[in-house]
Amino acid sequence: EIVLTQSPGTLSLSPGERATLSCRASQSVSSTYIAWYQQKPGQAPRLLISGASSRATGIPDRFSGSGSETDFTLIITRLEPEDFAVYYCQQYDVSPFTFGPGTKVEIK
Amino acid sequence: QLQLQESGPGLVKPSETLSLTCSVSGGTISSSRYFWAWVRQPPGKGPEWIGTVSYSGSTYYNPSLQSRGTVYADRSKNRLSLRLSSVAAADTAIYYCARGDLRALLDYWGPGILVTVSS
Repeated sequence: EIVLTQSPGTLSLSPGERATLSCRASQSVSSTYIAWYQQKPGQAPRLLISGASSRATGIPDRFSGSGSETDFTLIITRLEPEDFAVYYCQQYDVSPFTFGPGTKVEIK
Repeated sequence: QLQLQESGPGLVKPSETLSLTCSVSGGTISSSRYFWAWVRQPPGKGPEWIGTVSYSGSTYYNPSLQSRGTVYADRSKNRLSLRLSSVAAADTAIYYCARGDLRALLDYWGPGILVTVSS
């Protein structure tokens, strides 16, 4: 099973700042099969990014993803109030498909 | 607009079978284009993929369930079901149904249902 590790666990930032979230895989993952989800309290996860860098429908361009092999990054260029949430990476390359433990982006 | 809605008991006793249903509206589960998944999320943890069913009934499971899980697509009623046998406290989680592809890239999710395993 591919284990995903996310860092930091919590990111305390102010609106307008840049957020950099990391996702590391225990073995190489095709970048084609890395996704990022956003989850707000009491809601289901929402797909943000697939294929490591392709934004899902309706996702603003302040969200961008990159990376390869074992290291992947989600960047939010300028945090809006609605961006404070928990973010999960997922690999859907090798079954069982796994998610990371999440990074919480909170208001500083 | 596609909508998914989970339903079922919120409390299940240890060793019993958890049974959930996911009603799908605004779209059909009979489309060959999509697959349908169940995902669970223990309180305060990341999501865990449980299994996926295709429109034709082919199923794929997470081995961590140790064969306790069954997912089913009822095309006549346009709904999905999940059965998880021999539950224990570790199965306490929010259970979600979702639409995706064969590899569980999930683009539409239901709101989820909290299931607690407790006597």
